[in-house]
Amino acid sequence: EAQVTQNPRYLITVTGKKLTVTCSQNMNHEYMSWYRQDPGLGLRQIYYSMNVEVTDKGDVPEGYKVSRKEKRNFPLILESPSPNQTSLYFCASTPSSELAGRDEQFFGPGTRLTVL
Amino acid sequence: GQNIDQPTEMTATEGAIVQINCTYQTSGFNGLFWYQQHAGEAPTFLSYNVLDGLEEKGRFSSFLSRSKGYSYLLLKELQMKDSASYLCAAAVAGNNRKLIWGLGTSLAVNP
Repeated sequence: EAQVTQNPRYLITVTGKKLTVTCSQNMNHEYMSWYRQDPGLGLRQIYYSMNVEVTDKGDVPEGYKVSRKEKRNFPLILESPSPNQTSLYFCASTPSSELAGRDEQFFGPGTRLTVL
Repeated sequence: GQNIDQPTEMTATEGAIVQINCTYQTSGFNGLFWYQQHAGEAPTFLSYNVLDGLEEKGRFSSFLSRSKGYSYLLLKELQMKDSASYLCAAAVAGNNRKLIWGLGTSLAVNP
């Protein structure tokens, strides 16, 4: 089944404890992206990757890191989480690195992160 | 700047028709997406318009006017399961090749 998977789905952690949220897609998509979604602020892009070893900042990259060593995986790393990073996180992938045309984004199920 | 506006909330009755509007101001416009998002779940793709006009897909239709910076999503024969948030997103061409997202319209379908 074509899908985007994220792990963990739920995580409660404490300030300063490094964590990684994994994202994997099995559709051979070039473009992958991380979003956070907060009430009243909508979906905001954190980082994106147009292909292997090509990553760039989105709108809210501070406090986050990513890597794209393989096409299918795009982990999100929080080196020192803080309470303002409490949010719902979505990974998404799309076939084309151009994000033009009808290339819809396929979203993972989401990771609800709470930082105490 | 780049901006998308859509109503925050709407209410409709089961079996009725509802229209959710979206206005946008972007540079290098490359099409308009609509996504549906049920509470606590991931957004799922509904439609994409890049040319002016109406595109129909079952109970859902989407319209675009590029000259007016305006789109709407039309939902017919509403069902309770259509209660969700509807997100409008504009594709912006350029180096970033990103989507500009609206905040979503929360639709409540009542019996």
